[in-house]
Amino acid sequence: GAGVSQSPSNKVTEKGKDVELRCDPISGHTALYWYRQSLGQGLEFLIYFQGNSAPDKSGLPSDRFSAERTGGSVSTLTIQRTQQEDSAVYLCASSLSPGTSYEQYFGPGTRLTVT
Amino acid sequence: GENVEQHPSTLSVQEGDSAVIKCTYSDSASNYFPWYKQELGKRPQLIIDIRSNVGEKKDQRIAVTLNKTAKHFSLHITETQPEDSAVYFCAASTSGGGADGLTFGKGTHLIIQP
Repeated sequence: GAGVSQSPSNKVTEKGKDVELRCDPISGHTALYWYRQSLGQGLEFLIYFQGNSAPDKSGLPSDRFSAERTGGSVSTLTIQRTQQEDSAVYLCASSLSPGTSYEQYFGPGTRLTVT
Repeated sequence: GENVEQHPSTLSVQEGDSAVIKCTYSDSASNYFPWYKQELGKRPQLIIDIRSNVGEKKDQRIAVTLNKTAKHFSLHITETQPEDSAVYFCAASTSGGGADGLTFGKGTHLIIQP
C-alpha cells in the first residue's frame, strides 16, 4: 500500500515568509509525528498527534511553529515568519496506535531552505 | 527529558568484517529502542528494534543488545556488505513513541570499504 507522503518535497522561501508543510500518513495509522533533521544531525522530535489531538506541544521550537491534524488523517506544520535557522528537512512519520505497534514509518521529508 | 548519545560518528570497516555502533540513554523509564537506517537522500527506515523486556534480538546479519542496568544498547552488523553503507540512528522512547516521540542519537556514518 501507499506509504507516508509529504509535500512539497522542496521549499525555498524568503526570511519572514510563512510556509505550510503537509503530511499524508498511511491509511489507518492513528498516530502521527513531526521531526526536524538539520544537516548532519539526528532527528529532533517536534510534535505527536493521536487522532486529531496533540497532547503536548512543548517540543515545537518556538511559537512561530504550529501544527494541526484534521479528520484523523492529513497534518500540516506551519512556520510563521521563517528564519534562516528554520532551514532543515522536516520529516513526518505515522504508526498504528502506540499500544498496538511501535514502528514509525517515515515520509520522504520536505527540505526547507530559508534565504 | 531523555538524552541519547551515539558513538562513533563515523565508522569505516572492510567488507565482510563486523561493525558495532553503541548508544547510551539517560532515562531509566525508556522501554523501546529502535534502530533506523538512512541512505543518502532517502527516508529513515526501521531495521531492528528491541523492547526493555529482552536483552538481545537478532535478524539475519543484524543484532541489537540491551543492557538496562548500564543504560546502553548496541547494534551489531556481521559480514558487512556494500549496501550496508548508510547513516544509522539509534533512538529511545518511554512509551514506544506516543507523546514523547522518539529521541534520536546524532547518527553513525557507516562506510563499507571494498
